[in-house]
Amino acid sequence: GEDVEQSLFLSVREGDSSVINCTYTDSSSTYLYWYKQEPGAGLQLLTYIFSNMDMKQDQRLTVLLNKKDKHLSLRIADTQTGDSAIYFCAERSNTGFQKLVFGTGTRLLVSP
Amino acid sequence: NAGVTQTPKFRVLKTGQSMTLLCAQDMNHEYMYWYRQDPGMGLRLIHYSVGEGTTAKGEVPDGYNVSRLKKQNFLLGLESAAPSQTSVYFCASSRPLGSGMDNEQFFGPGTRLTVL
Repeated sequence: GEDVEQSLFLSVREGDSSVINCTYTDSSSTYLYWYKQEPGAGLQLLTYIFSNMDMKQDQRLTVLLNKKDKHLSLRIADTQTGDSAIYFCAERSNTGFQKLVFGTGTRLLVSP
Repeated sequence: NAGVTQTPKFRVLKTGQSMTLLCAQDMNHEYMYWYRQDPGMGLRLIHYSVGEGTTAKGEVPDGYNVSRLKKQNFLLGLESAAPSQTSVYFCASSRPLGSGMDNEQFFGPGTRLTVL
């Protein structure tokens, strides 16, 4: 079955780059997503990547996809205190309903 | 546009009580979802709906029922609440698969439920 794993916690200083990693098991996934959850709020889509791409850049965000290793990463350049949140990786299953399978989330703490 | 709204925001129940969580969306989305979020476990899909009048089971459906009588509303019911159902519940909606390149799910703010 599908499984998505992330490290639970990352701490960085303001201005540094943050890299959040994710591994997944479903090699037939079509899309992979990064969602952001701020305290007390729902999830918001940050960015996504189609499975035939290796990299996607969107302003301060860079997504890297290594299909061979089933590894996805999100790099946030010039991390700000407002980036402190929980970041969820998700894959879209390619079977049946094509549901989203979420990772456990990585809590990013940015200190001044 | 309000997007996806959920009521109530917080609730405390005693074991065995029942309640209904309401989700509403004003984006005319066909698909709607209910998830639960527990520490260290990410989001797990409880039930989903691909259109008015249709519902289907997700990953963890036991102890829950749902209804989608109107396209904009998706109700999640707990008939007899148990402490294991203490969680944060999120509703989401999206366009149908194949209608866009990302099938982005839009989430509500969540309902924090505690069952004593």
